[in-house]
Amino acid sequence: QQKVQQSPESLTVSEGAMASLNCTFSDGTSNNFRWYRQHSAKGLEVLVSIFSDGEKEEGRFTAHLNRANLHVSLHIREPQPSDSAVYLCAVSPTGYQNFYFGKGTSLTVIP
Amino acid sequence: GGIITQTPKFLIGQEGQKLTLKCQQNFNHDTMYWYRQDSGKGLRLIYYSITENDLQKGDLSEGYDASREKKSSFSLTVTSAQKNEMAVFLCASSMGQYAEQFFGPGTRLTVL
Repeated sequence: QQKVQQSPESLTVSEGAMASLNCTFSDGTSNNFRWYRQHSAKGLEVLVSIFSDGEKEEGRFTAHLNRANLHVSLHIREPQPSDSAVYLCAVSPTGYQNFYFGKGTSLTVIP
Repeated sequence: GGIITQTPKFLIGQEGQKLTLKCQQNFNHDTMYWYRQDSGKGLRLIYYSITENDLQKGDLSEGYDASREKKSSFSLTVTSAQKNEMAVFLCASSMGQYAEQFFGPGTRLTVL
């Protein structure tokens, strides 16, 4: 079964500083990766989807995928206090219809 | 745009009780999902449905039933609530199995 692990568990950054979140997965044939954001008491909001090695940018959010290293990261440029939330990594193995989720990284952005 | 509505927002039940959670979407999406989110754990898939009247088990289906009577709604039943079942249940929908999933706000279950 696919294992998805996120680090760090929690992260505090100052407003405007780059925030970097990490996600490792166990199945190197996985081909569909997503980063979600979850504000408390709200549903998940997709930030970036990435399907091949390299980089994918969506506004202030950039995902980097390196399948050889079983690693996908999310970088948040110029984070705002409103970006304070839990960030979830989701990975879908090849041939599998659904996603496995990590436990999340809790991000706090200090003004 | 569309919206996913989950009812109730908060559900309190007794151990051993049968409890039903409901989800409605107006995206006209084909596929719907039920996930469970425990504190300190990631989301885990309970059931999903590719189309009306279809049901597929996820990794966490034991102890749950689901029903997709029509395209816009997907319900989840906890067949016998257990104290370790206190969690948030998230419903999602997507146009297809590999398409973007949109999530509802969740139902928080507490078992006394």
